[in-house]
Amino acid sequence: EIVLTQSPGTLSLSPGERATLSCRASQSVSGSYLAWYQQKPGQAPRLLIYGASSRATGIPDRFSGSGSGTDFTLTISRLEPEDFAVYYCQQYGSSPWTFGQGTKVEIK
Amino acid sequence: QVQLQESGPGLVMPSETLSLTCTVSGGSVSSGTYYWNWIRQPPGKGLEWIAYISYSGSTNYNPSLKSRVTISVDTSKNQFSLRLSSVTAADTAVYYCARDRGVDTSIQTWGQGTLVTVSS
Repeated sequence: EIVLTQSPGTLSLSPGERATLSCRASQSVSGSYLAWYQQKPGQAPRLLIYGASSRATGIPDRFSGSGSGTDFTLTISRLEPEDFAVYYCQQYGSSPWTFGQGTKVEIK
Repeated sequence: QVQLQESGPGLVMPSETLSLTCTVSGGSVSSGTYYWNWIRQPPGKGLEWIAYISYSGSTNYNPSLKSRVTISVDTSKNQFSLRLSSVTAADTAVYYCARDRGVDTSIQTWGQGTLVTVSS
C-alpha cells in the first residue's frame, strides 16, 4: 500500500500568513489522485482539493494544491481564523486508499 | 443535497461484532456511479479507509481489515451497512460513512460520525 508522510506535524502561524503543507508518497500516486481534507475538532473531514490541484465546490481560492508523482503540496495563501485545523492528504489512485497522518495548523 | 447519518451501538463487547448502518437522505444509494464508503478514526489519531460498496454491490476492502469486514447495501431502505467481527480495543474509533464524488473516488460527503467503543 502507498504510505503518505505529511510534514510538518505542526505548523504554528499567525492569521494572514501563508501556510505550506507537504505530503510525500512512498510510491507514485496514479493519475495524481491525491486529495486534501480539513478537519476541525468534533467534525467530519471536509474535502478541499481533489486530483491534486482542483478545488472542491465552495472552497475559497486561498486554498491551492499542487504536485504530482510522489510530492504534493497544499498552500493556504493567507490564513483566516477559520483555517486553523488539521489537514490530511489522501491518495485514491491505488487500493487501499490511504491517508497521511495529518498536519495541525495552529495559531502562533 | 445528499446527507448521511450513521447509527448503531456505541458500545461493543470485545470479540463481538460491530454493526453500523448509514442512512442516505436527499439522494438515492442506487443512483449514479457513486461508491459508498466506511472510514474510521481512533480517538486523537488519523483516518483509515475501511471499505466501499457500489449500488450494484461491487465491493473493495482494505486488506488490513478484509478478513473481518462485510459491507452491504439495502436499496429498498436507502442504506448501506458495515459489520466488523472479532473486535478488540484497537477497533475503538469514530466511524464515518461517506460518499465519493462519483467522477472520482475522493470523499465528497461525510456523515457526522459515530463513536464506537470496544470495552467489557
